[in-house]
Amino acid sequence: SQQGEEDPQALSIQEGENATMNCSYKTSINNLQWYRQNSGRGLVHLILIRSNEREKHSGRLRVTLDTSKKSSSLLITASRAADTASYFCATDLGITALIFGKGTTLSVSS
Amino acid sequence: GAVVSQHPSWVICKSGTSVKIECRSLDFQATTMFWYRQFPKQSLMLMATSNEGSKATYEQGVEKDKFLINHASLTLSTLTVTSAHPEDSSFYICSARVLGGTDRINEQFFGPGTRLTVL
Repeated sequence: SQQGEEDPQALSIQEGENATMNCSYKTSINNLQWYRQNSGRGLVHLILIRSNEREKHSGRLRVTLDTSKKSSSLLITASRAADTASYFCATDLGITALIFGKGTTLSVSS
Repeated sequence: GAVVSQHPSWVICKSGTSVKIECRSLDFQATTMFWYRQFPKQSLMLMATSNEGSKATYEQGVEKDKFLINHASLTLSTLTVTSAHPEDSSFYICSARVLGGTDRINEQFFGPGTRLTVL
């Protein structure tokens, strides 16, 4: 079963704009992770945020976590055409496999 | 470090044949490996959890007799799709959980995936 639900399902922006994706989940988590997947390829781990953290940065990525609302957001600043991909949040309940959300397909046009 | 490989990266087979996919953790030991399936334009769905030396645990709706999982060592798990049908065509991805280490105990590392096409 899927734990995370991302929105929007699809997002189209221009290069240089920021892209924000949201993820909501249902149960308590140990941590939440964001992954990128280019079409037909494997997953690339972007960032992990633990349940006791509220915000984390990595390069042009900013992730927030609100455990009271059971939601997380991924912000990609100054987007590039190379950021075009599907983005998934995945929740770690600590005892089982990561559970993935449905994903957001991001398209960045130049 | 923490590299997971899969072999083959893609395979095409005839309906009714069996296909084996290998998942290896190259530079670490993994007591637990996971198998996911991803259909086009969809998310990853967990199929089963594979523990070294014991039987795999399958998710609801996944046929254990059709998707045979063997976790023979701390670095290798295999998924065999038996009597494959066109509807089994999918992207199969494995992941391995790092053994030990407080900071890394919940980290999973993913293989590059195997594209299975059943004709």
